[in-house]
Amino acid sequence: SAVISQKPSRDICQRGTSLTIQCQVDSQVTMMFWYRQQPGQSLTLIATANQGSEATYESGFVIDKFPISRPNLTFSTLTVSNMSPEDSSIYLCSGTRLTGDEQFFGPGTRLTVL
Amino acid sequence: GENVEQHPSTLSVQEGDSAVIKCTYSDSASNYFPWYKQELGKRPQLIIDIRSNVGEKKDQRIAVTLNKTAKHFSLHITETQPEDSAVYFCAANGAAGNKLTFGGGTRVLVKP
Repeated sequence: SAVISQKPSRDICQRGTSLTIQCQVDSQVTMMFWYRQQPGQSLTLIATANQGSEATYESGFVIDKFPISRPNLTFSTLTVSNMSPEDSSIYLCSGTRLTGDEQFFGPGTRLTVL
Repeated sequence: GENVEQHPSTLSVQEGDSAVIKCTYSDSASNYFPWYKQELGKRPQLIIDIRSNVGEKKDQRIAVTLNKTAKHFSLHITETQPEDSAVYFCAANGAAGNKLTFGGGTRVLVKP
């Protein structure tokens, strides 16, 4: 499996502020994705992180709210902007390798917005 | 886009019995169907997957079947053990090829 790490592992934030989550993957990973998992729910794809260009967002997610960067092949950030309590979720990054379809997940960042 | 439905949402079985979780998908272009297990507070872990050129795949106590015509696939766990207790998610990749759409999840409880 791919090695994927995230930080922070958890955070408690005040509404109106922003949080940036970092994801580091091993060099075998080609595609990177960001997901949201609301409490007790399934995983919803936010966007595909594209190296050196703007991320590709899924319906319902916009760049102003969830800016994403991927400056190189092994690193990406997701920012949750102008947070509200509804943004309280687990945010997960994932990656796939060139050699297969398997998608591996990072440990997640548990965000609580007060 | 792809839509994946998963049933049941909760499943309680006696240790040693079998568990079956079913998923349906909408996009006939989907050709990759993984299953993930997520324990409380942990990341989703890939436990088995199947591609559309195969009808069944087995790995020890876990098996997955795929019916492309009916657009449904199922996870079978035999001889369940307490450590099988977790939330299980099915997914399909849709026309995009590498973006996964997940089912709603099944919470499995194996009672000793």
